[in-house]
Amino acid sequence: DVLMTQTPVSLPVSLGGQVSISCRSSQSLVHSDGNTYLHWYLQKPGQSPQLLIYRVSNRFSGVPDRFSGSGSGTDFTLKISRVEPEDLGVYYCLQSTHFPPTFGGGTKLELK
Amino acid sequence: EVQLVESGGGLVQPGSSLKLSCVASGFTFSSYNMHWIRQAPKKGLEWIALIYYDSSNKYYADSVKGRFTISRDNSKNTLYLEMNSLRSEDTAMYYCAKGGFAYWGQGTLVTVSS
Repeated sequence: DVLMTQTPVSLPVSLGGQVSISCRSSQSLVHSDGNTYLHWYLQKPGQSPQLLIYRVSNRFSGVPDRFSGSGSGTDFTLKISRVEPEDLGVYYCLQSTHFPPTFGGGTKLELK
Repeated sequence: EVQLVESGGGLVQPGSSLKLSCVASGFTFSSYNMHWIRQAPKKGLEWIALIYYDSSNKYYADSVKGRFTISRDNSKNTLYLEMNSLRSEDTAMYYCAKGGFAYWGQGTLVTVSS
């Protein structure tokens, strides 16, 4: 299975600040169809994960442009600028290029 | 609007069985593969099962293979997860998700304890 390593595990932030979360895979996530199936989710307390970014850099419907994704191959980054209270929670990356789909361990974004 | 609503969770004893349901609406259910994903308390996310849109193929994580069965009824827009020989380590919130993982339900909690 593809191992997804997220760092950091915990990320203190001030409101209005900017943060980056890293997700690294144990093998390339480039699919044979040319796409890279790496996605980012936010799970708020008591809720199910909600999709933020799909296929590395595409914002899902309704996701503010404060969220951006980048990367290629095995190294991916989620950036959040101008952090707002509703951005707090646990962020996960997911790869669905290889079977089975695998998730990163999560990064908890919390207030300093 | 896509909606996925899970049900069927509860408190059961080790070794027992349980069947979860996920009712879908807002999209053509019969055209999409569907997944089950679980999350143990205070832990991360684990994919556990996939069923193709026409039930032609089913896949499982090693952790549940041989004990869990995924199925669907396209006439009822419903996805199922039948869980047998439950263990304490199966305690988790269980989510269904539409193929592509863009949409998830709110989850149903399964607790396995004596």
